[in-house]
Amino acid sequence: DVKVTQSSRYLVKRTGEKVFLECVQDMDHENMFWYRQDPGLGLRLIYFSYDVKMKEKGDIPEGYSVSREKKERFSLILESASTNQTSMYLCASTPQGTSTDTQYFGPGTRLTVL
Amino acid sequence: AQRVTQPEKLLSVFKGAPVELKCNYSYSGSPELFWYVQYSRQRLQLLLRHISRESIKGFTADLNKGETSFHLKKPFAQEEDSAMYYCALAIYNTDKLIFGTGTRLQVFP
Repeated sequence: DVKVTQSSRYLVKRTGEKVFLECVQDMDHENMFWYRQDPGLGLRLIYFSYDVKMKEKGDIPEGYSVSREKKERFSLILESASTNQTSMYLCASTPQGTSTDTQYFGPGTRLTVL
Repeated sequence: AQRVTQPEKLLSVFKGAPVELKCNYSYSGSPELFWYVQYSRQRLQLLLRHISRESIKGFTADLNKGETSFHLKKPFAQEEDSAMYYCALAIYNTDKLIFGTGTRLQVFP
């Protein structure tokens, strides 16, 4: 059974802080994704990684960066958190070359920026 | 442009009533479509995919290329179907999905 875990379920930070969101998957998947989930806007892709040290911008990368030093771990970084980054953040993973396969999601991190 | 549209933010029905959650897509290639579901306090998970032509928890979805639609249907809604439903489109050769804005289904007893 695929497991995708995220480091925190809830996180509260202050404006201007540097924030790290961690995601780990245990199924040796090549692809990992970071989305943000907002009411009325659905899921929007922030960044995508298809291999270690490889990354690709999604639809809303501004204000975010990512790191993939190991295959199982994909980190989302908010260099200077702002209130408009208050959201639910979802991580997902999937094997490479399987666009018709399911994406496996983590439980989400609800980030509040004050 | 590649796009997935779910026109209803909220759909409320009574138990036993038929349900149809609408999904329309815009895509120049051959579409691969999915429905994902998120129950309260649970993670987002795949409900069904059109290539499997399967029925999951009584739900079915048929791809209509002429109308560019992939509506999710269930003949008799149950209270446990209450959840957030997202339609998603796979982008060929990228392993990426485009999600719609989601429809919250509320099934009243």
